[in-house]
Amino acid sequence: KAGVTQTPRYLIKTRGQQVTLSCSPISGHRSVSWYQQTPGQGLQFLFEYFSETQRNKGNFPGRFSGRQFSNSRSEMNVSTLELGDSALYLCASSLVFSGQGTMNTEAFFGQGTRLTVV
Amino acid sequence: SQELEQSPQSLIVQEGKNLTINCTSSKTLYGLYWYKQKYGEGLIFLMMLQKGGEEKSHEKITAKLDEKKQQSSLHITASQPSHAGIYLCGADGTDKLIFGTGTRLQVFP
Repeated sequence: KAGVTQTPRYLIKTRGQQVTLSCSPISGHRSVSWYQQTPGQGLQFLFEYFSETQRNKGNFPGRFSGRQFSNSRSEMNVSTLELGDSALYLCASSLVFSGQGTMNTEAFFGQGTRLTVV
Repeated sequence: SQELEQSPQSLIVQEGKNLTINCTSSKTLYGLYWYKQKYGEGLIFLMMLQKGGEEKSHEKITAKLDEKKQQSSLHITASQPSHAGIYLCGADGTDKLIFGTGTRLQVFP
């Protein structure tokens, strides 16, 4: 069974540009969550999609957006890149959407996309 | 909102030594996940603890959940260089998965 696949693995962009990251979840998983990880802030929740609907959103500016397709693949877009957007972006897939407080999320993560903004 | 705090933040041990990492929740802990992350890579799911008092082991890693203390501990026996990485605890928050601050483990020969 294939794991979570994120593409590309590495990206270098200049300030002001936009970028799109892709995440293919484990087959059968309908929930995809995105996280930003930086040395200073740790793992920060961006948003979660379940069955093509955004279920939840973290405290990030509107420059960060996402979507999910009917095959559960998800994309994340960041517009007008800033230097502070440099980070490792991780996506996680699970059977159910998280935050139900029932401890059945069991999320599996991709290898991440390392974005560097120069 | 619920927060998870891990201690220590960083750990350097000699190969063969035992070590413990703690994860403390600011609210009632109904269960906990443990993940390991190699530098710059994704998180690898280690184990999930669902009940107070539950203890699970995988190879040389044992995790326990103390519901009353709102805490979980991860214990590594006879550490090896392959154990090096960042260990993160996670839990189901009210509307999303939340993660601890992480513990960076280095193991030297």
